Amino acid sequence: EVQLVQSGAEVKKPGESLKISCKGSGYSFTSYWIGWVRQMPGKGLEWMGIIYPGDSDTRYSPSFQGQVTISADKSISTAYLQWSSLKASDTAMYYCARLGYSSQFDYWGQGTLVTVSS
Amino acid sequence: QSALTQPASVSGSPGQSITISCTGTSSDVGSYNLVSWYQQHPGKAPKLMIYEVSKRPSGVSNRFSGSKSGNTASLTISGLQAEDEADYYCCSYAGSSTFGVFGGGTKLTVL
Repeated sequence: EVQLVQSGAEVKKPGESLKISCKGSGYSFTSYWIGWVRQMPGKGLEWMGIIYPGDSDTRYSPSFQGQVTISADKSISTAYLQWSSLKASDTAMYYCARLGYSSQFDYWGQGTLVTVSS
Repeated sequence: QSALTQPASVSGSPGQSITISCTGTSSDVGSYNLVSWYQQHPGKAPKLMIYEVSKRPSGVSNRFSGSKSGNTASLTISGLQAEDEADYYCCSYAGSSTFGVFGGGTKLTVL
């Protein structure tokens, strides 16, 4: 059974750094892209970027380029999303999802809620 | 990369059919048959309902169907049920650099 399990909710202050994770199981982790999707409170889904754990090839949506870093450790089947300096506007639910071979997000993690507040 | 355009809301009565549109450009929806649709209930992760414009993943009801014409994709839900009330998002492949873009989402209300 394909599963993506994300790390738990985080509460941070502006300016702090953060790295959240997404662990895949039940499939060949290095053979599928993993994507990150943001959902701000009461808003829609936003494509942030994707990574191919097999070779760490990474693509970012222009809106998120330079704002976050996506990485992966294939030895432990885990993808990451990180910020070097959080802002209040980063408050959102973040989902990881597996990208199928037809560019569809076929399996989703449960989401990680990030709250940034002073 | 601009978001794909969806109506903010649609509604229908049980048993009826509704269609949600998703308008993009010749750089995304119009160029690739790689449109997918997602259903999201409040407080839940999105669920894949349609991929490659009109294919249904295993386990998704055949009441859900997809199509595309030019730069506009559509999701049709027939025989509306109360459980279909949710937010729906389209998504399209947009080339190898950007990769993908979502629509703004449509709230479906079953009256």
